[in-house]
Amino acid sequence: EDQVTQSPEALRLQEGESSSLNCSYTVSGLRGLFWYRQDPGKGPEFLFTLYSAGEEKEKERLKATLTKKESFLHITAPKPEDSATYLCAVQAWSGGSNYKLTFGKGTLLTVNP
Amino acid sequence: DVKVTQSSRYLVKRTGEKVFLECVQDMDHENMFWYRQDPGLGLRLIYFSYDVKMKEKGDIPEGYSVSREKKERFSLILESASTNQTSMYLCASPGGAEAFFGQGTRLTVV
Repeated sequence: EDQVTQSPEALRLQEGESSSLNCSYTVSGLRGLFWYRQDPGKGPEFLFTLYSAGEEKEKERLKATLTKKESFLHITAPKPEDSATYLCAVQAWSGGSNYKLTFGKGTLLTVNP
Repeated sequence: DVKVTQSSRYLVKRTGEKVFLECVQDMDHENMFWYRQDPGLGLRLIYFSYDVKMKEKGDIPEGYSVSREKKERFSLILESASTNQTSMYLCASPGGAEAFFGQGTRLTVV
């Protein structure tokens, strides 16, 4: 069974205080690892997809990295508007041309001014 | 720039009603998913579809069914709504390097 574990569950930072969120996974046949941002009451907003160990992607203050067992979302000099829940998901082979998405429970990030 | 659209943002239904949640994607993707999201439980997969008229159970299919008559539309059906189906329902459509979600439907069953 595919499993995704995110840590910490909640993280409180001061504005400008850099940190990292972790996503560890166990999956057979990984096709991709996705990161999302979700604001309260809204659907998840796509951020990145990573496909292979060693891959990195960046967007503004966010940088995602991938190893064979985990992914990190690094947040550099965060601002209050970065406050959100960050979700990680793995896309795994489920037969035929089907790819199943399994999510972690998310990390609630709060950035104080 | 809309990619995945869910028919309602908020719904209030009575126990025992049959409820339809609609999702439409404009990306010509084969795969479509329905999740529910609850505090402390995260996103849980209800059903997914990888082709027209094809469907597969996810992790929590009990009490739900789905319909995919056209490639762009994936419907979630609550045959007889119950209070424990009060939740945020999210439709997703992955394809290629991206997987987009709709804005979500907050369903309350009273």
